[in-house]
Formats: sequence, structure tokens, C-alpha cells
Amino acid sequence: EPEVTQTPSHQVTQMGQEVILRCVPISNHLYFYWYRQILGQKVEFLVSFYNNEISEKSEIFDDQFSVERPDGSNFTLKIRSTKLEDSAMYFCASSGQMNTEAFFGQGTRLTVV
Amino acid sequence: AQRVTQPEKLLSVFKGAPVELKCNYSYSGSPELFWYVQYSRQRLQLLLRHISRESIKGFTADLNKGETSFHLKKPFAQEEDSAMYYCALSGDGGATNKLIFGTGTLLAVQP
Repeated sequence: EPEVTQTPSHQVTQMGQEVILRCVPISNHLYFYWYRQILGQKVEFLVSFYNNEISEKSEIFDDQFSVERPDGSNFTLKIRSTKLEDSAMYFCASSGQMNTEAFFGQGTRLTVV
Repeated sequence: AQRVTQPEKLLSVFKGAPVELKCNYSYSGSPELFWYVQYSRQRLQLLLRHISRESIKGFTADLNKGETSFHLKKPFAQEEDSAMYYCALSGDGGATNKLIFGTGTLLAVQP
């Protein structure tokens, strides 16, 4: 069964460093998402991506964040200058069409020290 | 404001007992409601959605628009049902079908 794959599973970085979280969505999917979950809190929407551009983003997704689909298979989330409060589990998701099930990756645990 | 509320952080029941995980929502239009489940060390996965009206693993959920609720129920809990359960909604007419999650309820089924 096809799955959304995220790498790495755990990333530790120093405050102020740039990180790139990688995702390989399911191959025939068209809609891509990033969510995050700070420890003990709810899963929060960050951004959605369709047709090679951002279709919606939340207040959390400020100028420090960017997304890219560089080669037609990977979908990346970049945090330019990490802060301690960026420490969270980051989930990638993809769906085939607008109102179909979103499939989630295993998540990347980002720890900013 | 769009919001999903799951009032219980933890629900502990004995095997064979009925289960009800509560979910209330706030949304001005006609949202689509979902239950996602996350078993230990596994990814979030869709359990059921209100439009499909299916019963998955013995779980059902009915959308009550009057009470703005979408409670998840199962008549007889099994130990393998122990997991984190998230209620979520997706809005209508938006640019994408982003999901708005509740805080989740940890279901612990005791033997």
C-alpha cells in the first residue's frame, strides 16, 4: 500500500540554524500539506500546496517557513532560522483530490536546542 | 471561529465496556467531520468520516448538527482499540480541505 514517507524521523538542530524537512507524498496525489504538533498540544495546520503553489497557509506559517516541490516527487518544508518554539512533530500529508482522505506520514520530530 | 473540542484527554475503560469519545465543533458553514486514530508508534490514519456513514472496526459516529457534535462510539471496547483519537473538521468552499483538529483523547482499554 502506498505511503507518505518523511525523513529524517528525528532532527536536532541549534537555534538559528536552517532545517529542511523532507516528504515524499503518494505518487499520484495532487494536494500536499504540512502540519505540526507541539508536545502536548493539538495537531495544527501549517500550509497546503497545490499546482506548484501555496493554496493556503496559517498564521504560524510566517516568513521563516517555506515549502517547495523541487523535483516532482519530494515536498519539503524549510525553516530558515529555527527558534526553540519550533520544536515539534511535523507531519506531511497528501491527498488525491480536494475532498478525499488525507494520508499522513510518520512525522519528523524536530528538536531545537 | 472554526474549532474542534474534545473535552476528555484520557478515557479509560475495561474491555467489553461501551466507549463514547466526545467531539463538538464550531463552524459557520457545513463542515465535513472526521475521526483520525494514532496507534502507538504509528502514523495518523483515517478511522471514519461522516459522509461515508460506515462502521469501521466497530466504531460509528453520527453528525448531530443541532448539537454540533460528532461523538465516536463503540458498543464493546477491545484492548487493541487503545490509541489516541483525534476529531477533525474540514470546511466547505475553502481553497483546500485543510483539517482542523481537536486536542485528542487517549483511549486506554484495560483487560
